[in-house]
Amino acid sequence: EPEVTQTPSHQVTQMGQEVILRCVPISNHLYFYWYRQILGQKVEFLVSFYNNEISEKSEIFDDQFSVERPDGSNFTLKIRSTKLEDSAMYFCASSDGQGAYGYTFGSGTRLTVV
Amino acid sequence: GQSLEQPSEVTAVEGAIVQINCTYQTSGFYGLSWYQQHDGGAPTFLSYNALDGLEETGRFSSFLSRSDSYGYLLLQELQMKDSASYFCASYGGATNKLIFGTGTLLAVQP
Repeated sequence: EPEVTQTPSHQVTQMGQEVILRCVPISNHLYFYWYRQILGQKVEFLVSFYNNEISEKSEIFDDQFSVERPDGSNFTLKIRSTKLEDSAMYFCASSDGQGAYGYTFGSGTRLTVV
Repeated sequence: GQSLEQPSEVTAVEGAIVQINCTYQTSGFYGLSWYQQHDGGAPTFLSYNALDGLEETGRFSSFLSRSDSYGYLLLQELQMKDSASYFCASYGGATNKLIFGTGTLLAVQP
């Protein structure tokens, strides 16, 4: 079964550093998403991406965040100048746009900011 | 704002039936999805209701009432491996994003 792949699985970074989280969506999917889950809390929508541009972003997705699809397979989330409160699990998801059934999540990157 | 509320914890015994409720206030609502999450791993899709009524998938069933802005997930013949967090999520909006509920931690006891 096709998978969404995320790397690294765990990243530790110092406050103020930049991090890039990487995702390889399912190959024939057209819609890409990033979600965040702070430990013990609900999953929160960050951003959606379609046709090589951001289609929607939440109020969490401020200027320290950016997304990019640098080539035909990767989808990245960059966090500039990380803060302690950015520590969370970050999930990438992709969708074929055909409905809720076609939505697939990756296994996540656990980001720890120290 | 958009919100989906769930009970924080539910406890049940093996073999029993448990219902997890979800009440929502969202815009651009297409339907209600349910996800299972073990120990902070990837949310795994369980079920989706686009229309009012009951959807059955094996031991899991899900119900939606749009007029009441309410849905539930029903788990039958509970097994120990069903111990996990369960999230409802509204699906829709211009970009088909998911807005997740507060989550319910289900503990299945022997």
